[in-house]
Amino acid sequence: QSALTQPASVSGSPGQAITIPCVGTNSDIGGYNFVSWYQQHPGKAPKLIIYEVTNRPSGVPDRFSGSKSGNTASLTVSGLQAEDEADYYCSSFTGGNIELFGTGTKVTVL
Amino acid sequence: QERMVESGGGVVRPGRSLRLSCAASGFTFSRYGLHWVRQTPGKRLEWVAVIWSNGINKYYGDSVKGRFTISRDNSRNTFYLQMNSLRAEDTAIYYCTRALSSYHDCWGQGTLVTVSS
Repeated sequence: QSALTQPASVSGSPGQAITIPCVGTNSDIGGYNFVSWYQQHPGKAPKLIIYEVTNRPSGVPDRFSGSKSGNTASLTVSGLQAEDEADYYCSSFTGGNIELFGTGTKVTVL
Repeated sequence: QERMVESGGGVVRPGRSLRLSCAASGFTFSRYGLHWVRQTPGKRLEWVAVIWSNGINKYYGDSVKGRFTISRDNSRNTFYLQMNSLRAEDTAIYYCTRALSSYHDCWGQGTLVTVSS
């Protein structure tokens, strides 16, 4: 089992849009619409922000959006805000009821 | 209010065992699949194990298969992770989570397990 691949860091200025890619294979991301995204602030537990590729739980701002193309899922944060500075992780279920997480991306708001 | 609280972490020597518990409240426990996810010192998240709502289907990550066992007690709204033959690479913060489908929508605060001689 290998982790999904994310860039180590992404940065942007307040108000800008950033996109975090999450690269997998056709055995995980490419094979299922079971991609989710989690936000983690320092010292806190991860928090669900996107599920099943594109869906936002209630209470998550609509500046967070998800998409998928082939074996790559993406998280876009539009209108970046200071409180969006955090670590972000993707995850995907695979065949055999196994789950893979991404390597994680640190988002810095300049 | 939906809540999950882990306990049982600590410092343990390689080769020894430890049992983690996760007590849940504020939701219908028996409806959910329950997971353990760990976060390494390098901040990587790694899925560890799941037990389905039926209590029968259990699945494990390759790195813990054969050493760790997940179980649940619906009468106590609690589930467990029995960890045997612990290794240094098992050192991590262990989170318990719930999932109705493919995503973790409620997480505990985490409990730290350190495997060291």
